Amino acid sequence: GNSVTQMEGPVTLSEEAFLTINCTYTATGYPSLFWYVQYPGEGLQLLLKATKADDKGSNKGFEATYRKETTSFHLEKGSVQVSDSAVYFCALRMNSGGYQKVTFGTGTKLQVIP
Amino acid sequence: GAVVSQHPSRVICKSGTSVKIECRSLDFQATTMFWYRQFPKKSLMLMATSNEGSKATYEQGVEKDKFLINHASLTLSTLTVTSAHPEDSSFYICSAPEGQAGGYTFGSGTRLTVV
Repeated sequence: GNSVTQMEGPVTLSEEAFLTINCTYTATGYPSLFWYVQYPGEGLQLLLKATKADDKGSNKGFEATYRKETTSFHLEKGSVQVSDSAVYFCALRMNSGGYQKVTFGTGTKLQVIP
Repeated sequence: GAVVSQHPSRVICKSGTSVKIECRSLDFQATTMFWYRQFPKKSLMLMATSNEGSKATYEQGVEKDKFLINHASLTLSTLTVTSAHPEDSSFYICSAPEGQAGGYTFGSGTRLTVV
């Protein structure tokens, strides 16, 4: 079956530090890949996505590149801010027509300190 | 973009009572809606898929008689936790597909506390 593996958190960084949150996946076929962010007390928001190999998703300074050869979709940001503190979920969805289930990673909590 | 409105955001109820959670798609029609439960320090667990005008599809291990799902219109899906117990306390989130190649739009979630 499909699965998503994320690095365990929490990840604690100082403001303006470089961020990497690792995500790898296993899937039968060619999934779309997503990063969702959950701020404290809120639901999930789509952060970025990539639908095919070598695509780069980007939003709000965050980037992730769909690497088919390494089955990875690592999230990066060059300079984090305190407001980036949240839980980040990597997820995949299969492109096989119809509405497929989304498989989520366990989430990585990011804490950015001033 | 597409918005899903979920209410209530927080609810505290007594053990043995029932709680209804609503999810509405505000500017699009959602023929399908997904209901998730999030445990502390764990990922989202898909509970069921609701389909407008038909019975919901429940994931293995989810009690359909306890978690009643109704999707009576193209813009409204409800989850009712019946005879709630403290172990049902959790964060429940609904979501609807944005499109074939897109992601999912999520509601803001409901924090249920059963005392």
